[in-house]
Amino acid sequence: ETGVTQSPTHLIKTRGQQVTLRCSSQSGHNTVSWYQQALGQGPQFIFQYYREEENGRGNFPPRFSGLQFPNYSSELNVNALELDDSALYLCASSLGTSGRGSYNEQFFGPGTRLTVL
Amino acid sequence: DQQVKQNSPSLSVQEGRISILNCDYTNSMFDYFLWYKKYPAEGPTFLISISSIKDKNEDGRFTVFLNKSAKHLSLHIVPSQPGDSAVYFCAASARFGNEKLTFGTGTRLTIIP
Repeated sequence: ETGVTQSPTHLIKTRGQQVTLRCSSQSGHNTVSWYQQALGQGPQFIFQYYREEENGRGNFPPRFSGLQFPNYSSELNVNALELDDSALYLCASSLGTSGRGSYNEQFFGPGTRLTVL
Repeated sequence: DQQVKQNSPSLSVQEGRISILNCDYTNSMFDYFLWYKKYPAEGPTFLISISSIKDKNEDGRFTVFLNKSAKHLSLHIVPSQPGDSAVYFCAASARFGNEKLTFGTGTRLTIIP
């Protein structure tokens, strides 16, 4: 069983540029969530995709956007990069959404470290 | 507005003793709570969870206690081992939503041999 993978591992960009981060979900999982972890902070929820549709969004501006593909892999795109976007970006996959059922455990990838200069 | 708080940024414990990590929350809608462990250069790994209908959940050396009236949970690790040295995050979810996890800021646990 393949775990959650993310690419690239590290990335350096300058202010105003655009970046795309990629995530391959764990085999059999159809839900992907993205989190931003700034230095010294806990991960903050950006958004979630379930079966290729956005299924919830945190308090992030529209320049943070995403996609989920038919194979359930996902991309996070950030436009007009700002210095404060420097962080570790984590992707987590799970099977389904909880709805009124039991909680579905999220499995995290190792993250992409983005540095904005 | 920090809805999940871990007030101790770090904790050092002697090997073999008990480690107690604490977490407080403010949002009454949270009904599922989790602890994640994170090593450097790795993503968070699920450790243990508890539903709001319970006040204790145990898994081997790890026990999580939930005090709903105080909006407080704690993770007990006994006995502590050197491999337990990591950053521990408390997280909460309103399960009848979209599994969005709200994390605390983490506690760095160091086990002293």
